[in-house]
Amino acid sequence: DAKTTQPTSMDCAEGRAANLPCNHSTISGNEYVYWYRQIHSQGPQYIIHGLKNNETNEMASLIITEDRKSSTLILPHATLRDTAVYYCIVTSGTYKYIFGTGTRLKVLA
Amino acid sequence: GAVVSQHPSWVICKSGTSVKIECRSLDFQATTMFWYRQFPKQSLMLMATSNEGSKATYEQGVEKDKFLINHASLTLSTLTVTSAHPEDSSFYICSARIPIGSGETQYFGPGTRLLVL
Repeated sequence: DAKTTQPTSMDCAEGRAANLPCNHSTISGNEYVYWYRQIHSQGPQYIIHGLKNNETNEMASLIITEDRKSSTLILPHATLRDTAVYYCIVTSGTYKYIFGTGTRLKVLA
Repeated sequence: GAVVSQHPSWVICKSGTSVKIECRSLDFQATTMFWYRQFPKQSLMLMATSNEGSKATYEQGVEKDKFLINHASLTLSTLTVTSAHPEDSSFYICSARIPIGSGETQYFGPGTRLLVL
């Protein structure tokens, strides 16, 4: 079973920030949090990952709570092309990914 | 960024035939690749871990004799669906493990859609 829980779906207005939450209350000390997204009929696309510090790259920001039991992926200015299923994955050294159901984000014009 | 390709992108075959799917890392070497399967409106399910030069490790419930995996080089892993049946119709996706920043990640291929008639 996946170690994460995410809302099933979310809507976001184009140009606004999309904040996607993920709960991983059973995360252990050596496990990383990864975010991927899957646009319809394509392979998942890597977005960002982190261990305990907040991270930012050209695509998104990742905010991890101090107790590491949850995190939020932030897309600062959502566009229609950001419509996808977003997966939050927790994994350790084996780097085996167990995908949950993800959040279906719909960006509205 | 790292690129992973799959071939073919889609395939239609008759029941009972075998189908081979290739997964290549185009600009890096991958000692470890992974194979996933995704049914419509469902999430990805890990099938097996493919390690270069050794036998693949299969997830529980995945038949190793039906889904043959070969990882003969650092840039190529193949998945062969033997004696395919309609219930094997699915979207097959591979990924390659690669170091990135303070850890590692997986880059995914575009997927192969298999339809067994």
